[in-house]
Amino acid sequence: AQSVTQLGSHVSVSEGALVLLRCNYSSSVPPYLFWYVQYPNQGLQLLLKYTSAATLVKGINGFEAEFKKSETSFHLTKPSAHMSDAAEYFCAVLPTGTSGSARQLTFGSGTQLTVLP
Amino acid sequence: DTAVSQTPKYLVTQMGNDKSIKCEQNLGHDTMYWYKQDSKKFLKIMFSYNNKELIINETVPNRFSPKSPDKAHLNLHINSLELGDSAVYFCASSLLGGGEKNIQYFGAGTRLSVL
Repeated sequence: AQSVTQLGSHVSVSEGALVLLRCNYSSSVPPYLFWYVQYPNQGLQLLLKYTSAATLVKGINGFEAEFKKSETSFHLTKPSAHMSDAAEYFCAVLPTGTSGSARQLTFGSGTQLTVLP
Repeated sequence: DTAVSQTPKYLVTQMGNDKSIKCEQNLGHDTMYWYKQDSKKFLKIMFSYNNKELIINETVPNRFSPKSPDKAHLNLHINSLELGDSAVYFCASSLLGGGEKNIQYFGAGTRLSVL
């Protein structure tokens, strides 16, 4: 069974500072990995995805994440935070394997990002 | 055009009532999901349908009954609502298969408040 751990339920950064949101996964085989963002009172929007191609993945709004198999990590980064980045961020894991079988997306507990002026 | 749309966006009701939430997707996907997000923002899958067939059914009270009239629609009916049912319910859709086919796209959510 897969699991996802997001370290830090709340992260605060100053505007212009580096954003680093941590995600570690537990899986018997490397899974597919995702970051979703949820702005206040809105649904989940896909930020970026890792599906066994390049280990450094670029997403929308200047975010990127690096898949590190040795560390079982998929941390999300952005070089310079904007006020508009304030939101809840979710890391999620999807099992790989035989196509055609059901897939269950497992989410981490989320990290609330606050950007200070 | 909204890819995954849910109605209503807000639902306020009394304990004991029965209510339904509707979901429609226009992405041509064959698989749809319902998730529940609790007050601590934790997201957990409830159900999944593939081509109108139930494929994921997590431990959910049987007061919750999903219905899929076709592969573009997945509705959630809740009987005898309880205070603990208050949450945000998200619908999602994807293709069923390997790789990027299974990327899930989410609706905006339905915020259910049971008084």
